[in-house]
Amino acid sequence: GIQVEQSPPDLILQEGANSTLRCNFSDSVNNLQWFHQNPWGQLINLFYIPSGTKQNGRLSATTVATERYSLLYISSSQTTDSGVYFCAVPQGAQKLVFGQGTRLTINP
Amino acid sequence: EAGVAQSPRYKIIEKRQSVAFWCNPISGHATLYWYQQILGQGPKLLIQFQNNGVVDDSQLPKDRFSAERLKGVDSTLKIQPAKLEDSAVYLCASSSYGGQPQHFGDGTRLSIL
Repeated sequence: GIQVEQSPPDLILQEGANSTLRCNFSDSVNNLQWFHQNPWGQLINLFYIPSGTKQNGRLSATTVATERYSLLYISSSQTTDSGVYFCAVPQGAQKLVFGQGTRLTINP
Repeated sequence: EAGVAQSPRYKIIEKRQSVAFWCNPISGHATLYWYQQILGQGPKLLIQFQNNGVVDDSQLPKDRFSAERLKGVDSTLKIQPAKLEDSAVYLCASSSYGGQPQHFGDGTRLSIL
């Protein structure tokens, strides 16, 4: 099956810093989702981004499908950005295969 | 629009007991998914429904887990009997059809004593 790898596994930053999270996948895909899992366990949709670049406020994402990777950018980090960020790609009948996540900690 | 609803939010049971979780997807969403998320890992699919038919249940431990989606709307996931390794968060998701963004509920956190 398809493999999804995320890096780095952990990231600790000061408030106001910028960060880049990476997601590599082992096979061609027709869509990709980025999620934020907050400290209460809720999985929040950030982006549905099969290819190209999308922006939503301080967050943006770029997927280069031909090179099998996606990047999530967070600018001017806030403490509320803390949590685990997952990317996920479809396999077979559209079930999502998740990476292991990047745990982001933003210190005040 | 209302999101994916799940209940209960938390459940604590002893091993060998049974437990059931309920999910109500976003209105009009034909595809419903149950995922299991063990602490420190990403969610993994247990079962996928398209309307009231099963599309993929290859990762469902069928000796103890069962799921149904009557009338193609609500769904229930049952574990009987529970084992210690079933301690996890059980997430329900829905999408309008395969390939479209999946939207997740808040999950049920299950602890097995």
